Amino acid sequence: DSGVTQTPKHLITATGQRVTLRCSPRSGDLSVYWYQQSLDQGLQFLIQYYNGEERAKGNILERFSAQQFPDLHSELNLSSLELGDSALYFCASSSQYGYTFGSGTRLTVV
Amino acid sequence: AQTVTQSQPEMSVQEAETVTLSCTYDTSENNYYLFWYKQPPSRQMILVIRQEAYKQQNATENRFSVNFQKAAKSFSLKISDSQLGDTAMYFCAFMTALPTGANSKLTFGKGITLSVRP
Repeated sequence: DSGVTQTPKHLITATGQRVTLRCSPRSGDLSVYWYQQSLDQGLQFLIQYYNGEERAKGNILERFSAQQFPDLHSELNLSSLELGDSALYFCASSSQYGYTFGSGTRLTVV
Repeated sequence: AQTVTQSQPEMSVQEAETVTLSCTYDTSENNYYLFWYKQPPSRQMILVIRQEAYKQQNATENRFSVNFQKAAKSFSLKISDSQLGDTAMYFCAFMTALPTGANSKLTFGKGITLSVRP
């Protein structure tokens, strides 16, 4: 157990639908990062939150949004889902040693 | 923009032998951090080793060590006495800010698939 908790582990949904992925960082870590891992694009940075504020944005689609709550957990919202959104979505939090990743959410859009 | 390049898509090694995975990066920064992450079939991302650019000494973690060549912007991972459990995808990654900092985005290479043969 890395200390970073992601739910759900697996999600299957239809095109056009909306889903929410949840992440709880390790105790004491203020930053949360979201990454998308697909077969053809590798690990792509989506967005970072630090202590409730958005700090950096990567290749995140407009259909996607995220937020970090006062208790530091974060949610990644994916809407109007397309087949190409099928991927493994990782959340990570950071300490002085580097990133600690959650086990990921496998999203399958059918 | 920082980039990380892993040019070898796949490698194979015999159990108990040594293998080296290559990584190069590009940055104009002087202070930064380099990492190797392992992703086994379980898909969990596991930190293998890290190197601070200001440190001249190469990092070592048990059977894992790096060869950090700052001038050449090269950061290779050596795995000694390879074990079957080392079979995984390995990602080289780069960060300019402190890992605990507010803007500490990690940039990954495309990864290399390592297979350890029994």
